[in-house]
Amino acid sequence: EVQVVESGGGLVKPGGSLRLSCEISGLTFGRSRVTWVRQAPGKGLEWVSSISGSSNYIYYADSVRGRFTISRDNARNSVYLEMIDLTADDTAVYFCAGAEGSLTTVVTLDYWGQGTLVTVSS
Amino acid sequence: SYVLTQPPSVSVAPGKTARIPCEGNNIGIKGVHWYQQKPGQAPVLVVYNNNDRPSGIPERFSGSNSGNTATLTISRVEAGDEADFYCQVWDFSDRVVVFGTGTKVTVL
Repeated sequence: EVQVVESGGGLVKPGGSLRLSCEISGLTFGRSRVTWVRQAPGKGLEWVSSISGSSNYIYYADSVRGRFTISRDNARNSVYLEMIDLTADDTAVYFCAGAEGSLTTVVTLDYWGQGTLVTVSS
Repeated sequence: SYVLTQPPSVSVAPGKTARIPCEGNNIGIKGVHWYQQKPGQAPVLVVYNNNDRPSGIPERFSGSNSGNTATLTISRVEAGDEADFYCQVWDFSDRVVVFGTGTKVTVL
């Protein structure tokens, strides 16, 4: 059984920073792509960033490029999202999703965690 | 940037068929994936690569994709199918994941 667990969310002031973690078990982690998706309160799904199994391919949404950094530690079966210069528009539930396979022609989000809430407010 | 448009809501009576369109420019040449999200829960992949189902997803969920419209079809709708549904593609040219605007399915 695949399990995806996010952590690290919380309340942060505008301009602050936060680091989210995502641990995935039950997949061949080093061969799995991992994606962060966020959902603002009452809104739809918004893609944030994706990373390939070997970290060779990393992609960001325009809305976070230059402020967010995705990385992974395959020894710990974990992916991280470092977020800086946070604004109220970054307030959302952040989901982590994993899938075995590359980050090239087909990108599905097979297994999702329950999400971690990030609130940016003074 | 690539845009996927869905109707905000679809209503269907129990036992009937719900069809959820997802419109995008020449979407027929892309692989389309669909997610179901119930209130307070994480999304669940219900259809991938236009018309394949992950294990555990009922055969009542199916998909099609041609031209500028992909469609998720839910046959013999049940009360438990009530949820938000999102289509998704991988825009290879821009290297971005694109989600549709989402459709709330209400079972009457």
